[in-house]
Amino acid sequence: GAVVSQHPSRVICKSGTSVKIECRSLDFQATTMFWYRQFPKQSLMLMATSNEGSKATYEQGVEKDKFLINHASLTLSTLTVTSAHPEDSSFYICSAKGNEAFFGQGTRLTVV
Amino acid sequence: AQSVAQPEDQVNVAEGNPLTVKCTYSVSGNPYLFWYVQYPNRGLQFLLKYITGDNLVKGSYGFEAEFNKSQTSFHLKKPSALVSDSALYFCAVREGSNYGQNFVFGPGTRLSVLP
Repeated sequence: GAVVSQHPSRVICKSGTSVKIECRSLDFQATTMFWYRQFPKQSLMLMATSNEGSKATYEQGVEKDKFLINHASLTLSTLTVTSAHPEDSSFYICSAKGNEAFFGQGTRLTVV
Repeated sequence: AQSVAQPEDQVNVAEGNPLTVKCTYSVSGNPYLFWYVQYPNRGLQFLLKYITGDNLVKGSYGFEAEFNKSQTSFHLKKPSALVSDSALYFCAVREGSNYGQNFVFGPGTRLSVLP
């Protein structure tokens, strides 16, 4: 089946620095990818829809200047958490289109 | 707007017993329904989906789910639970077949299978 690879799986960064998370579709082209955020013991909340070659669409309440999304090719979308703060610590998951949607492995971000 | 409810935060069941994880949904059009399982610090793994056809859907690891349109439900079931089934389960809905649409997830149900 289709595979979505997300990297890194775990990252620890200092407050104020930026972190980039990559989401790749390995064996299919993804014109649309989705970025979700999951707080501990909570469900996945959609942050933004990443569209290849155009600007991402952000959900209400998500700061687009803080969570930069780039979808420069049909196989790669990146999420950059800029000037990270401890409250940005969370589990981030991407998914790419498919009949049942294929999810990356997730990235555990810890900001210290 | 689409929404998904999973009325139980936690389900406990003894190994070997049947299990049910409940899900109800609300969409304005045709529902595309999914179940995913999540293990600690891991992404989501697809279990099964309902698009159309037979209301009883069989999926991975012996799981199945029954689509009930009148009750707007899509409960996940397994005849005989295993300890290894212990995980967090999410029901999700997508309205229609448009692959460009996102999923809406339920809050999740933690399943604990006791040996």
